[in-house]
Amino acid sequence: GEDVEQSLFLSVREGDSSVINCTYTDSSSTYLYWYKQEPGAGLQLLTYIFSNMDMKQDQRLTVLLNKKDKHLSLRIADTQTGDSAIYFCAEIFASGGSYIPTFGRGTSLIVHP
Amino acid sequence: NAGVTQTPKFRVLKTGQSMTLLCAQDMNHEYMYWYRQDPGMGLRLIHYSVGEGTTAKGEVPDGYNVSRLKKQNFLLGLESAAPSQTSVYFCASSYFGGNYGYTFGSGTRLTVV
Repeated sequence: GEDVEQSLFLSVREGDSSVINCTYTDSSSTYLYWYKQEPGAGLQLLTYIFSNMDMKQDQRLTVLLNKKDKHLSLRIADTQTGDSAIYFCAEIFASGGSYIPTFGRGTSLIVHP
Repeated sequence: NAGVTQTPKFRVLKTGQSMTLLCAQDMNHEYMYWYRQDPGMGLRLIHYSVGEGTTAKGEVPDGYNVSRLKKQNFLLGLESAAPSQTSVYFCASSYFGGNYGYTFGSGTRLTVV
C-alpha cells in the first residue's frame, strides 16, 4: 500500500490552535480524510476533502491540501480538552480495481489547561 | 441505526485456540474491512471485501481468514491464536470505495496468552 506519514504527538494549551500535519504518497488519491479516535472507541469521521479542493472549513476545523507537496493539514481552532484524542489522516488508493483506505499512524493530541 | 457492530468486545484466548470475530453492518455497504491497531503502528489492514462472496488480502493477512457469505456480515477467524495477535481489531464498512468515508465499529480487544 501507500504510505501516510504523521507525527505521533502534539501538545497544546487549551484555547490555542492545533495543527496536525500529514503527508501522503499516492498522487492519484481522490479523497483524503481526517478521523478522530477517543480512548476506548472506534474511529469517527471528522471531515474529508476532495483532491480538487485546496481548503475546506467546517466550524472549528480547517483542512488544507497542498497537492504539489502531497501535504494535508488539520487545524483546530480554540482547542478544548474534549479535543484530546488520536487523529488519523487517511487516503484512498486504487488496488486491482478496488479502492482501499490507508491510514497514518495517528497523532495523539494532548490538550492541557 | 446501529451502524457497524462488532462482537465480542473483549476476549482472552490461550495460544493455539481458535475464534471468530463477527462484524455486522446495517447500512447496505458494499465494502467491508478488518484492521488491527497496535500501539505506535496505527491501523493495518488485514483483509477486506468489496462485495458479498469476495475477499482479498490486506497488508497483514497471515494467521487470519475471513468470509463474507452475507453482505451485511464480515467474519474474521483466527485458526491458531498466537501472542503476536494480541491487538485491538476494528471492522469498518463503506459504500463503493469509501468516497463518503468509512464507518467503524467500536473494536474488539483480544489478548492471547
